[in-house]
Amino acid sequence: QVQLVQSGAEVKKPGASVKVSCKASGYSLTSYDMNWVRQVTGQGLEWMGWMTLNSGDTGHAKKFQGRVTMTRNTSINTAYMELSSLRSEDTAVYYCARRSPSSGDAFDIWGQGTMVTVSS
Amino acid sequence: DIQMTQSPSTLSASVGDRVTITCRASQSISTWLAWFQQKPGKAPKLLIYKASSLESGVPSRFSGSGSGTDFTLTISSLQPDDFATYYCQQYNVYYTFGQGTKLEIK
Repeated sequence: QVQLVQSGAEVKKPGASVKVSCKASGYSLTSYDMNWVRQVTGQGLEWMGWMTLNSGDTGHAKKFQGRVTMTRNTSINTAYMELSSLRSEDTAVYYCARRSPSSGDAFDIWGQGTMVTVSS
Repeated sequence: DIQMTQSPSTLSASVGDRVTITCRASQSISTWLAWFQQKPGKAPKLLIYKASSLESGVPSRFSGSGSGTDFTLTISSLQPDDFATYYCQQYNVYYTFGQGTKLEIK
C-alpha cells in the first residue's frame, strides 16, 4: 500500500527548531518529488516547499526563506523538513505530500500530518 | 505570486443537490489546477487534477472544468460523505491554495 507516514506531535519553545519526518512505503522515495504543506488550526493550506528526492534539489516559498530546510535519507525512504527560529505563528499541522506525474503533477498522496505546537 | 480566490466560503446544501464551487486565479494558470477534499482531522484528498481529470477512485459525481483563470468544481448529486471543506490549488507557478469552501448540511 502506497502511503506516507509522518513522525509524531512536537512541542517546541519559541526560537527552537523542529524536524518532521515523512517515511514512504509502497514505492521508492526517489521516484517522486516531495512537498511540504502546513495548516494552522481552523485555517487554510499553505505550501512551504518541495524537494526533488533523487537529486536533492529544493525550492521553497519566499515566506520561509532562511528558515526551512528539506533533506532526505534514501536508504530508509524518508524525507525531512526542518523549520528553525520557531514562533507561535508556526503552530500548525505539517503535511508531506507526493507530487505524481501520473496524477497530472498534483499532490496525490499525503502524510497523516504532524502537529507542531510552539509555546513558551 | 498567484492568488487563488474561492467562492463561496460556505455553502449549505442538501443530500441530492447539485453544487458548484468556483475558483479564480489572479493570472492565467492554463489547466494547472487541482481540487482537494478535506475532512476534520484528516489530510486533504485529491479529487481532480489538470482542472478536469478525475483522480483514480474518486466518484464520478465529482467533476471539474475551466482553464485560464476561472474554474469550477461540481458535485452532481450530494452524498452524506461529501460534506467537507474543498480547496483549489494552482500549480502553474509553485503552489497556491484557495482559502477553502466549507460545504455544510442544510
